[in-house]
Amino acid sequence: DQQVKQNSPSLSVQEGRISILNCDYTNSMFDYFLWYKKYPAEGPTFLISISSIKDKNEDGRFTVFLNKSAKHLSLHIVPSQPGDSAVYFCAASDNQGGKLIFGQGTELSVKP
Amino acid sequence: DAGVIQSPRHEVTEMGQEVTLRCKPISGHDYLFWYRQTMMRGLELLIYFNNNVPIDDSGMPEDRFSAKMPNASFSTLKIQPSEPRDSAVYFCASSLRHRGINYGYTFGSGTRLTVV
Repeated sequence: DQQVKQNSPSLSVQEGRISILNCDYTNSMFDYFLWYKKYPAEGPTFLISISSIKDKNEDGRFTVFLNKSAKHLSLHIVPSQPGDSAVYFCAASDNQGGKLIFGQGTELSVKP
Repeated sequence: DAGVIQSPRHEVTEMGQEVTLRCKPISGHDYLFWYRQTMMRGLELLIYFNNNVPIDDSGMPEDRFSAKMPNASFSTLKIQPSEPRDSAVYFCASSLRHRGINYGYTFGSGTRLTVV
């Protein structure tokens, strides 16, 4: 059973426009959410996170929104840049056992 | 720190052979995780350790898979016998838990396994 789902395998955006990546989860015990970015032939790297006590966290061009009632979070990148082209993974944790559960990933392509 | 180090980067083996993947976590980290990346399931957690002790191995697909962590600086994931459907990229990650929160969750560069 996939507890964290990213239903869009790919997304294509024009440079300068906003990229919105979505993620849904099923486990109401999750209280910490993260986004990771992955380039080919590299391991995922941490991008931004949010605790369940917040509904928004911003870091430069990246903002994560959390809607607990809908069990949904999203990552906004604005403005998008060609260097943002990568696979983005959503992850969740209940911080009880320490493990992260990841979604399937969304491949973002930002075109010049 | 050099980060999480995995070896080999690439492994090509024949079906039925034993495969061993290796991981060196970041020094001082007390959690170690093994993940497998597939198109269908994304990053799938296989097993994780806390202070060298396996905590949850429910993600290990079959008895052909086993993992060990003999000390704080080394872990192995073994597949015996290997099958073509095991072909994937395997990642190791480590983190430090402090006051109930895991910090510094860092991934290695992965091992791309191809079983022919």
